[in-house]
Amino acid sequence: NAGVTQTPKFRVLKTGQSMTLLCAQDMNHEYMYWYRQDPGMGLRLIHYSVGEGTTAKGEVPDGYNVSRLKKQNFLLGLESAAPSQTSVYFCASSYIVAFGETQYFGPGTRLLVL
Amino acid sequence: GESVGLHLPTLSVQEGDNSIINCAYSNSASDYFIWYKQESGKGPQFIIDIRSNMDKRQGQRVTVLLNKTVKHLSLQIAATQPGDSAVYFCAENSNYKLTFGKGTLLTVNP
Repeated sequence: NAGVTQTPKFRVLKTGQSMTLLCAQDMNHEYMYWYRQDPGMGLRLIHYSVGEGTTAKGEVPDGYNVSRLKKQNFLLGLESAAPSQTSVYFCASSYIVAFGETQYFGPGTRLLVL
Repeated sequence: GESVGLHLPTLSVQEGDNSIINCAYSNSASDYFIWYKQESGKGPQFIIDIRSNMDKRQGQRVTVLLNKTVKHLSLQIAATQPGDSAVYFCAENSNYKLTFGKGTLLTVNP
């Protein structure tokens, strides 16, 4: 049981390049989330999914797209990277959203956009 | 929009002392609150949560207090150990989404 895994761990992009971050969970969770973490800002929700084939916008969705074609995977795409997207990205998943049910986080992906 | 904030960005304590980390929230509709611990280079890890109709909840060495009158949340860590050194985040749940505070860095001195 690997929990939540993220690929890649670190990436450097040039402005305008595109990339996809992959999140995978093996806990059969319905809910999956993408957050970004910037210094002094805490974690901010980018997009989330409440089940296979569904996605929804979070607090800071601009410049990102997501897909949830398979229940265990949640992909975060940057079509045209900007320096403002330099951040640490965390994926999380949970079975349901309720008291007593926690979100499990992946180890993070560090992205540097030059 | 609503936000969750922390009173103190850093806290330094001696090993063995008790630690208290505070958090203010503004969304009165939040139905539960969670504390997370994040060690350097790792993702956040769940510590304890509390429902909005509770005042206090205890775990192993940790206690969370909720004061809805002043919209304040605190995390108490008993007998703080070096392994407790991390950033601690409070988060509130509303409409099936979590909103995180900015975090408090806890440093435990041996």
